[in-house]
Amino acid sequence: DQQVKQNSPSLSVQEGRISILNCDYTNSMFDYFLWYKKYPAEGPTFLISISSIKDKNEDGRFTVFLNKSAKHLSLHIVPSQPGDSAVYFCAASATNNAGNMLTFGGGTRLMVKP
Amino acid sequence: GAGVSQTPSNKVTEKGKYVELRCDPISGHTALYWYRQSLGQGPEFLIYFQGTGAADDSGLPNDRFFAVRPEGSVSTLKIQRTERGDSAVYLCASSLTRDETQYFGPGTRLLVL
Repeated sequence: DQQVKQNSPSLSVQEGRISILNCDYTNSMFDYFLWYKKYPAEGPTFLISISSIKDKNEDGRFTVFLNKSAKHLSLHIVPSQPGDSAVYFCAASATNNAGNMLTFGGGTRLMVKP
Repeated sequence: GAGVSQTPSNKVTEKGKYVELRCDPISGHTALYWYRQSLGQGPEFLIYFQGTGAADDSGLPNDRFFAVRPEGSVSTLKIQRTERGDSAVYLCASSLTRDETQYFGPGTRLLVL
């Protein structure tokens, strides 16, 4: 039973346009959400996070939106750049867990075309 | 500063052999995590250390898997009697405390033939 799902395995976007990556979760205990970006042969790199007390967090070209009632979050990248091409993972955690371990989605491969 | 490092970067072994994977966390980080990523999937939690102790090992798939962190810094993931299904990328992450952002190493790609 996947608690975090990324239903789009891949997304192709033109340089300069907006990229929207989506993520759904089922566990209502999750209260902290993160996006990681992964290049081949490297570990995931932290991108941006959001607490469940907020519905939006912005950092430069990256904005994460959280819709708690729908158990849905999205990552917006604008404008998209070719260097953004990577696999993006959505992750969630529940702060009342002893270890605060992350539960990841399956990833979305973003390709930004010049 | 230096990030999380993992050695070896690649490991090829035969079914039934024993392997050790090493993780060197960011200096000063008290929390350390091991995850496993199979092809086409996201990372899956294995075990969490707070200091020297394994605070949560609920993600270890069976008793062939074991991990230690004897001095609260470097950690070793040990896999006995490896099986072909153990083939995956093993990722280590560390954070300053359990509530802080986790930073990942590059992973060890394990292939069991």
